[in-house]
Amino acid sequence: SAVISQKPSRDICQRGTSLTIQCQVDSQVTMMFWYRQQPGQSLTLIATANQGSEATYESGFVIDKFPISRPNLTFSTLTVSNMSPEDSSIYLCSVGGGVVSEQYFGPGTRLTVT
Amino acid sequence: GQQLNQSPQSMFIQEGEDVSMNCTSSSIFNTWLWYKQEPGEGPVLLIALYKAGELTSNGRLTAQFGITRKDSFLNISASIPSDVGIYFCAGHVWRALTFGSGTRLQVQP
Repeated sequence: SAVISQKPSRDICQRGTSLTIQCQVDSQVTMMFWYRQQPGQSLTLIATANQGSEATYESGFVIDKFPISRPNLTFSTLTVSNMSPEDSSIYLCSVGGGVVSEQYFGPGTRLTVT
Repeated sequence: GQQLNQSPQSMFIQEGEDVSMNCTSSSIFNTWLWYKQEPGEGPVLLIALYKAGELTSNGRLTAQFGITRKDSFLNISASIPSDVGIYFCAGHVWRALTFGSGTRLQVQP
């Protein structure tokens, strides 16, 4: 499976600021996804990052709050904008494997908003 | 939207015991996946199931795709301390994964 890295691994940010999280894959992949995992909770899909077009957002998530870029088949960014303490979560990127339904996850970015 | 009910929420067992956890849904899924997440890491894919009735093993782990396509279970045999973590089921239909709430497993050496 692909090797996935995320930067930063963790950050503490102030309310009202924005943070951009990077996801890098060591091989070209068709599908890239962004998830949020709130403290002690399960994973919730934020959006599918589409190469060359706008991301597809899930219900409850909007582009103004979580803008996503996907400039090529190995890289994507997620920005968490105008942060509040409720945005404190682990943000994970994942990629689709050889079988589209299989997804492989990066190590996550642990965000704390104060 | 689709929801997965995963049980039990947590388990505390002795090393060497067998473990069983399951997921149920009101919706049909085309694929069932089982992941393990350890502290500070992302989920790691353990087993993928593609057909109703399919039974698949990965070492001491065995998982089954329910006949109705609305449920799946995961068994761990002869547990060891490194099995500690949170186990998530996930169902796939169309393009999205829906995750269960997780089963937190603790193993007493």
